[in-house]
Amino acid sequence: QVQLQQSGPGLVRPSQTLSLTCAISGDSVSSNSVSWNWIRQSPSRGLEWLGRTYYRSKWYHDYAGSVKSRMTIIPDTSMNQFSLQLNSVTPEDTAVYYCARKVAGRTFDFWGQGTTVIVSS
Amino acid sequence: EIVMTQSPATLSVSPGERATLSCRASQSISSNLAWYQQKPGQAPSLLIYGASTRATGIPARFSGSGSGTEFTLTISSLQSEDFAVYYCQHYDNWPPGTFGQGTKLEIK
Repeated sequence: QVQLQQSGPGLVRPSQTLSLTCAISGDSVSSNSVSWNWIRQSPSRGLEWLGRTYYRSKWYHDYAGSVKSRMTIIPDTSMNQFSLQLNSVTPEDTAVYYCARKVAGRTFDFWGQGTTVIVSS
Repeated sequence: EIVMTQSPATLSVSPGERATLSCRASQSISSNLAWYQQKPGQAPSLLIYGASTRATGIPARFSGSGSGTEFTLTISSLQSEDFAVYYCQHYDNWPPGTFGQGTKLEIK
């Protein structure tokens, strides 16, 4: 059974960097049949896919247009986890952030527990 | 970007009755549609993928249908644990796969 365990701070100051980590058990971050994703949920934007990382002989990354210039996803094979870094946050980045696995050709089948992140001074 | 529209926003149904939730895509997405259930304080949980295939462990009272732009999630006999918010999501020509705004299923 795949499990995703999220960690990271719940409060970030405006203009700072939001950093979250998703630890994987029951699968590998370098599996060649899945991608590892970040999704957020807020009352104003609903559920919003943010980005993914996946391994197909080398690492690939994709980001949503709304965060592309500010977001980085970093896989860590030694710890079997992946991390989200979102720079220059504003109060509009306040949301519940989820990590999730997506099987190729299917959809998000396993999710982390969610982390509520508030951007406030 | 494909827009997913769910209706109704809120559905009031009595336990034991049938619930029918709708999802419409702004353009054809073939059968690349999923349904999720979300309870308060929890992450969304996958119910249906491929428009009609139940995910592992999902009871048979949940069924999905449709293709192209019109999709339906039916819960045949509502149990107390089924009252939640339901989201549809497309994964056609992904990323990005957009989500609908959700249907809240409440007890009548």
